[in-house]
Amino acid sequence: AQKITQTQPGMFVQEKEAVTLDCTYDTSDPSYGLFWYKQPSSGEMIFLIYQGSYDQQNATEGRYSLNFQKARKSANLVISASQLGDSAMYFCAMREAPVQGFQKLVFGTGTRLLVSP
Amino acid sequence: DSGVTQTPKHLITATGQRVTLRCSPRSGDLSVYWYQQSLDQGLQFLIQYYNGEERAKGNILERFSAQQFPDLHSELNLSSLELGDSALYFCASSVEADLGLLDEQYFGPGTRLTVT
Repeated sequence: AQKITQTQPGMFVQEKEAVTLDCTYDTSDPSYGLFWYKQPSSGEMIFLIYQGSYDQQNATEGRYSLNFQKARKSANLVISASQLGDSAMYFCAMREAPVQGFQKLVFGTGTRLLVSP
Repeated sequence: DSGVTQTPKHLITATGQRVTLRCSPRSGDLSVYWYQQSLDQGLQFLIQYYNGEERAKGNILERFSAQQFPDLHSELNLSSLELGDSALYFCASSVEADLGLLDEQYFGPGTRLTVT
């Protein structure tokens, strides 16, 4: 069964510094996708970045990059040059490739990031 | 703004009642997903519809049901409500034009349901 583990319930970082949010996953399927979402205090879920299991390069989207280590089954999110607006809950999620139909996203428990001035 | 809309934003109701949550996907998206986010259970997948048909089911209670209409909007019906049903309910949509395409899901702002 799919499983996502985020071991950091909370992280603190100073403005302009980089921070890494950890995510490990467990799947027996060779084809899967990994996603990161941001949930600010207002509640909405904002898609940040996606990494496919067959992608050769780590995904990047602006200040967000995904440190994908397939052998270790980890997909850590790196936020460079943190901003106050980055303070939010961050969720890692995984989706296996559909075999008998479309599959759901499975979410980790999240990491609360607090950026201080 | 993700392009996914959900109404209402907040809903307060009593135990035993029935409510309907509504979702309009992004233009062009064929798939709609429903998720429940609660303090004790975290984010959980409930159900998925693709172009009007149910495609995947998660931890959805029998008291809950959903449908997707020809215009692709979706409704989640929650009946015989209990205190434990209080949660944030998200709708998400994706294109999913092809089987095997791992496209991202865009979430709506959510409906916060409070059962008293």
